[in-house]
Amino acid sequence: EVQLLESGGGLVQPGGSLRLSCAASGFTFSSYAMSWVRQAPGKGLEWVSIITMSGGSTYYADSVKGRFTISRDNSKNTLYLQMNSLRAEDTAVYYCAARSGYSYGYFFYWGQGTLVTVSS
Amino acid sequence: EIVLTQSPGTLSLSPGDRATLSCRASQSVSSSYLAWYQQNPGQAPRLLIYGASSRATGIPDRFSGSGSGTDFTLTISRLEPEDFAVYYCQQYGSSPNTFGQGTKVEIK
Repeated sequence: EVQLLESGGGLVQPGGSLRLSCAASGFTFSSYAMSWVRQAPGKGLEWVSIITMSGGSTYYADSVKGRFTISRDNSKNTLYLQMNSLRAEDTAVYYCAARSGYSYGYFFYWGQGTLVTVSS
Repeated sequence: EIVLTQSPGTLSLSPGDRATLSCRASQSVSSSYLAWYQQNPGQAPRLLIYGASSRATGIPDRFSGSGSGTDFTLTISRLEPEDFAVYYCQQYGSSPNTFGQGTKVEIK
């Protein structure tokens, strides 16, 4: 059974940092590009970042560029998102998702999400 | 950036009804790289349709997608109780990939 299990969310003050993790199992993690997608409370979906199968290339939404860093450890089947300089508008449920391709891809596996709340 | 506009915002229907959801793009979506997702409250999105009309693994055939260019449609032929949810379209033919704002299908 495919599983993507996010962790690391929580309450953080504006300007603070958090590191999210996503542990994958049940599929060949190293064969797929991986992404983070977020959803603010009561709002729609927003793509955040993507990383290639090898981790050699990354791409970010303008809203997080320069503040967030995506990475992966294929030996541990784990995806990460380092979030720095957090703002109130970063408050959301963060999902990790497997994507069918790096340049062009839909999200075919999703985790259950982890909630990040940025508030003083 | 391609903006996707979904309509209607809310669709009020009864079990057994046919649902027709629209997704309109601000520019042509290349190669029909459009997907549809279903999201139930408190759950993660689930892929329904990719490539505008291909059903994902395990998706019942009452779900169908159609369209090309700037106009796409998700049709649910006969609504089952578990189909009352929010539906999102996503284009992945142009960077950054973008989502529509969602259509909620609610029980009338």
